Amino acid sequence: GQQLNQSPQSMFIQEGEDVSMNCTSSSIFNTWLWYKQDPGEGPVLLIALYKAGELTSNGRLTAQFGITRKDSFLNISASIPSDVGIYFCAGPPRSNYKLTFGKGTLLTVNP
Amino acid sequence: GAVVSQHPSRVICKSGTSVKIECRSLDFQATTMFWYRQFPKQSLMLMATSNEGSKATYEQGVEKDKFLINHASLTLSTLTVTSAHPEDSSFYICSARDLSQSSYEQYFGPGTRLTVT
Repeated sequence: GQQLNQSPQSMFIQEGEDVSMNCTSSSIFNTWLWYKQDPGEGPVLLIALYKAGELTSNGRLTAQFGITRKDSFLNISASIPSDVGIYFCAGPPRSNYKLTFGKGTLLTVNP
Repeated sequence: GAVVSQHPSRVICKSGTSVKIECRSLDFQATTMFWYRQFPKQSLMLMATSNEGSKATYEQGVEKDKFLINHASLTLSTLTVTSAHPEDSSFYICSARDLSQSSYEQYFGPGTRLTVT
């Protein structure tokens, strides 16, 4: 099935640092979604992207829909301890509303 | 808005018994809900798509007779794990699409931790 390659797998950073993670696909996506999952909880939608080249912010989070429509980036500025969690990219490989998820980026923030 | 609940949050059952998990959209209607399974330190794996008023569609390799899905209303889908075995122990998460939106956004429930002894 369709695979999303998400990197890095994990990151260990100091509080206050900026973070960047990305997701690539072998085929074109019309939508990119970024979710955050805390331990023992369900994923929470952070940002949704619908147009190639689109740059969208949600507080300290900024995500971009790659111009080739095969990639997306998520940046977190001035990280804080509560940013800890797993970040997933997701997108619909077809128009049947199913989502394919990346393998996730585990973020650890040292205070 | 876009709140999805799941019940129970945790359940422990004995091998051979059945367990029902409920997924509710609290402030929106959903003709389509999704059931995922997640193993520790892994990504979400789609099990099936639950369609209101019709049969669920299952992903390849998922036994439909073992994981029974019912989507009886626009706000409720249930997943029943029948004749549970220890290998069915996992974190089960549902999600729902808002009927009023044409987007691909899915809103997730908090998950159900199933342990089969």
